[in-house]
Amino acid sequence: NAGVTQTPKFQVLKTGQSMTLQCAQDMNHEYMSWYRQDPGMGLRLIHYSVGAGITDQGEVPNGYNVSRSTTEDFPLRLLSAAPSQTSVYFCASSYSTSLAGGSSYNEQFFGPGTRLTVL
Amino acid sequence: AQKVTQAQTEISVVEKEDVTLDCVYETRDTTYYLFWYKQPPSGELVFLIRRNSFDEQNEISGRYSWNFQKSTSSFNFTITASQVVDSAVYFCALSEGGVYNQGGKLIFGQGTELSVKP
Repeated sequence: NAGVTQTPKFQVLKTGQSMTLQCAQDMNHEYMSWYRQDPGMGLRLIHYSVGAGITDQGEVPNGYNVSRSTTEDFPLRLLSAAPSQTSVYFCASSYSTSLAGGSSYNEQFFGPGTRLTVL
Repeated sequence: AQKVTQAQTEISVVEKEDVTLDCVYETRDTTYYLFWYKQPPSGELVFLIRRNSFDEQNEISGRYSWNFQKSTSSFNFTITASQVVDSAVYFCALSEGGVYNQGGKLIFGQGTELSVKP
């Protein structure tokens, strides 16, 4: 298993450019998420998905779009890059375990991250 | 509201000292999950432990131990006899479950940077 993969590892953009950060997982996990990490702020959730075709906003969604057409892929699109989007971006996947009366949520597996600089 | 607070921004200890990293959480749900992750200088996020809200047993794994107390909404992490390789940023995180079905969402604390000096 490759786990969670992200491309590219590094990217430099100019203000106003658009791009897509790729994320893929080969573990058949139903949940996938995008986070950004900024100094002193921990990781903040941008968007997440509970299954193919279903996405929702996290804490800091403005300026980003996502879609989830397959279980495996969860790309993050920057529509018009701004310097405030300079950050390290992590993609993650996780799964639930069925229990009597409900589900149990397990840990998230993180990709290696993409370091994005917007000039 | 959901929130995770790690009040200690930076901790510096000398090798072989014990160190405790604090984590306090807020949640609206009765079913939730707590996690600790380690981020070494290389930048990847390494999963350390998961706890659900129904299991208040403390856990020990080698030099690591975790103390979960629902009465004080805390999930503290202790490293015994610290080593230089423990130097990293440690994150506490919360995921709500139950009726809110938030399995894809982690709320992170700000992180505690631990520096272990030889």
